[in-house]
Amino acid sequence: GAVVSQHPSWVICKSGTSVKIECRSLDFQATTMFWYRQFPKQSLMLMATSNEGSKATYEQGVEKDKFLINHASLTLSTLTVTSAHPEDSSFYICSAYRQERLTGANVLTFGAGSRLTVL
Amino acid sequence: ILNVEQSPQSLHVQEGDSTNFTCSFPSSNFYALHWYRWETAKSPEALFVMTLNGDEKKKGRISATLNTKEGYSYLYIKGSQPEDSATYLCASYAGGTSYGKLTFGQGTILTVHP
Repeated sequence: GAVVSQHPSWVICKSGTSVKIECRSLDFQATTMFWYRQFPKQSLMLMATSNEGSKATYEQGVEKDKFLINHASLTLSTLTVTSAHPEDSSFYICSAYRQERLTGANVLTFGAGSRLTVL
Repeated sequence: ILNVEQSPQSLHVQEGDSTNFTCSFPSSNFYALHWYRWETAKSPEALFVMTLNGDEKKKGRISATLNTKEGYSYLYIKGSQPEDSATYLCASYAGGTSYGKLTFGQGTILTVHP
């Protein structure tokens, strides 16, 4: 089945450093990827929509200079948390739509997520 | 703002029990409702996509219903097994395309005890 590979799965960094998270669609092309963030005991919150070859669309309240998104090809989107601070510690997960073979429905295929801890 | 609510937040059942939980969503401008299962240390996996009022979908022991007029969906698991233990997420979106932005509920954590 369709797979989205997300790396790293966890990362610990010092305050002030930047961290890059990669998402690759392994067996399908994704012109659009969605980046979500999850705080403990809360729902997945959409941060931004990444579009291949163009600028990402950010949700209200998400700083685009803090969370840089690049979607350079049909199979790769990256999220860079710049000058990370402890409040950026969270779980980040990417996803892309694919069409289910059996039902024809468009469903999200997710990466496994990246847990970021900023010291 | 689209709010999607799920209840209960967590649920503990014994193996063999049947169980159900609820997803409520704003019914205005509704387009689709998704259900996902998210096992620990894995990626969320799609269970169902539902669009029509009265829709009922089934996959093995799991089924779901949809009421778009009142804005709720039920997920049922018949004869729960320990491998059904997971977080079940529902997500909704409004709008006219099938590639829209999904708004997720906070999930129901199901634990099935052997």
